[in-house]
Order: sequence, then C-alpha cells, then structure tokens
Amino acid sequence: EMQLVESGGDLVQPGGSLRLSCAASGLRFSAYSMNWVRQAPGKGLEWISYISESSRTIYYADSVKGRFTISRDNAENSVYLQMNSLRPEDTAMYFCASDPDTALMRCFDNWGQGTLVTVSS
Amino acid sequence: DVQLTQSPSFLSASVGDRVTITCRASQVISSYFAWYQQKPGKAPKLLIYGASTLQSGVPSRFSGSGSGTEFTLTINSLQPEDFATYYCQQLNTYPPITFGPGTKVDIK
Repeated sequence: EMQLVESGGDLVQPGGSLRLSCAASGLRFSAYSMNWVRQAPGKGLEWISYISESSRTIYYADSVKGRFTISRDNAENSVYLQMNSLRPEDTAMYFCASDPDTALMRCFDNWGQGTLVTVSS
Repeated sequence: DVQLTQSPSFLSASVGDRVTITCRASQVISSYFAWYQQKPGKAPKLLIYGASTLQSGVPSRFSGSGSGTEFTLTINSLQPEDFATYYCQQLNTYPPITFGPGTKVDIK
C-alpha cells in the first residue's frame, strides 16, 4: 500500500498562487499515474488533474485548465500542483490519489489525507 | 464528458439491511468503473474497481455489478461502520475522469 501525504494548503487571496505537494512512500511511485481531486465544503468529489508515470501525458479539468500545473519528480517520490490565479471557487480540500493505470486496474487506489486551500480576501 | 448520476442521493437504513446504490452513465462505459466510500473528514476509500472486483481488505459484504451504462453497489447486512457517502467513478473516457454526485447512507 502506498502512503500519500499532502502539504501546502493555506489561506490565500483571490488572484494569488499556491503550490501543493504530495509525498509518496511504501510502493514504487514511478509505476503509478497520479491525480489531484478536490472537494469543496459540503460538496462531492471533483477530479482536476492527471499525470502519467513518466509525465508524458497530462490532463486537466476545464475548471482549472490554464491556471493549474501538475508535475512530478519520481526521484523525490512526489507530485505537485502549482495553482495560479486562484478564485474563491477553488476553495476546497485537495487530495492526491494514485492510479495503477494498467489494463487490469484503473482506479484511485490510494489517497492522501488532503490539504485545505481557502481562497478569500 | 461522461455524466454519472446516482440514485438514491440519500438513503436511510438500519443495521443488517441490504442496501443497493445505482449509478447510471450518459454513455457506455467499459469496465473502468469504481466505487468509493467516504466518511466525514476523511479521504475516500476504494471499495470496488473494474465494476465488480473487490479491493483487497474490503469486507465481502460489499459487491459491485453492472455493465454498459448501469452499475450497482450492494452492501449486504449493513454494519454501523458502513454509514458514509458512496461515490461512483468512471475512468473509461477522459478527460475528464468523472465522479457521481454521491449517495449518503444514514442510520434510520
């Protein structure tokens, strides 16, 4: 089982920036695709970004495209989310989640505990 | 985008009950379909992947079935620790990877 620990969440003003980190341990991080998922207070789950194991393939939800950037460092067993031009509607708990991304297994099998981002003046 | 709808959105049940949650997709999905359980203040937990494969460590009272556009999560003999919100997810056609809106299972 992979352990994931997010960090970097904070209170930030609209228009500001933040960088989230997710540190992995326990399994071969470089074999997994990684995702960021967010959950606004009292709301459901929203997938926002995916990065393949080699970083060759990256996807974003329309709601964050052009403002957020996902990246990973397999040597550091970490995935990151650079968040720019933040809006109040970006306020949420942000989770990272691993995906085995194989023909036999596609799912988010490990999740971090989340890091809270609040965008407010 | 593949839209997922869940029914019911809220369910009140008793310990020992059999509970069924349905998720319908706006287009045909392969087996890249999963179910998650989330308790308040916690991260989601994977229950089922491949529409019907039980994740390691998940109790056998949970089961998943379905294909095409309709999928079902069944909990046999509901236990106190099963009161939570359940989400379906499709990873067949993306981006975006989509989740259903959730079904909250509460104590009757």
